[in-house]
Amino acid sequence: AQSVTQLDSQVPVFEEAPVELRCNYSSSVSVYLFWYVQYPNQGLQLLLKYLSGSTLVKGINGFEAEFNKSQTSFHLRKPSVHISDTAEYFCAVRGPSSASKIIFGSGTRLSIRP
Amino acid sequence: ETGVTQTPRHLVMGMTNKKSLKCEQHLGHNAMYWYKQSAKKPLELMFVYSLEERVENNSVPSRFSPECPNSSHLFLHLHTLQPEDSALYLCASSQDWLADYNEQFFGPGTRLTVL
Repeated sequence: AQSVTQLDSQVPVFEEAPVELRCNYSSSVSVYLFWYVQYPNQGLQLLLKYLSGSTLVKGINGFEAEFNKSQTSFHLRKPSVHISDTAEYFCAVRGPSSASKIIFGSGTRLSIRP
Repeated sequence: ETGVTQTPRHLVMGMTNKKSLKCEQHLGHNAMYWYKQSAKKPLELMFVYSLEERVENNSVPSRFSPECPNSSHLFLHLHTLQPEDSALYLCASSQDWLADYNEQFFGPGTRLTVL
């Protein structure tokens, strides 16, 4: 079975500063990894995904994430954040089996200070 | 309408009421999902439907009853709920439940308050 841990429940940063949201997963098999974003009063939207290949994945809105198999991590980064990035971010993992469910982390609330 | 829509967006109900949540997807997908999102907790998968057949039921209490009349519509019927059932209920859809990629598209959710 897979599990995912988001170590930070809240991350406050200043506008135009860089940010990293941490995600660690646990699995005995290869996995697919996702980051979703939830803006206020909206559903979740896919930011980026890692299925295979290059370990550096680029997503929408200038976000990127790096898959690190040895550290079982998939941290999300952005070099310069904007007020509009204020949202909750969810890391998710899915096993390779066709019947695997997507398991979501508990989320990290990113708040941007002007 | 595009994407995944949910109605109502907000619902307040008493413990003895019966209500239904509605989800509609306009993406031509074959799979639909109900999730519960409570404060400070990970998303909890409740039900999965693939081609109108229920393929996943995550030990959800019987006071929640899903219905999928066709591949575009999904309902969640609620009766005799408890205050701890108050949460944001999210609907999602994906092209194919069994696909490796399986990106899910989410609706905006229904904020449910049980008094």
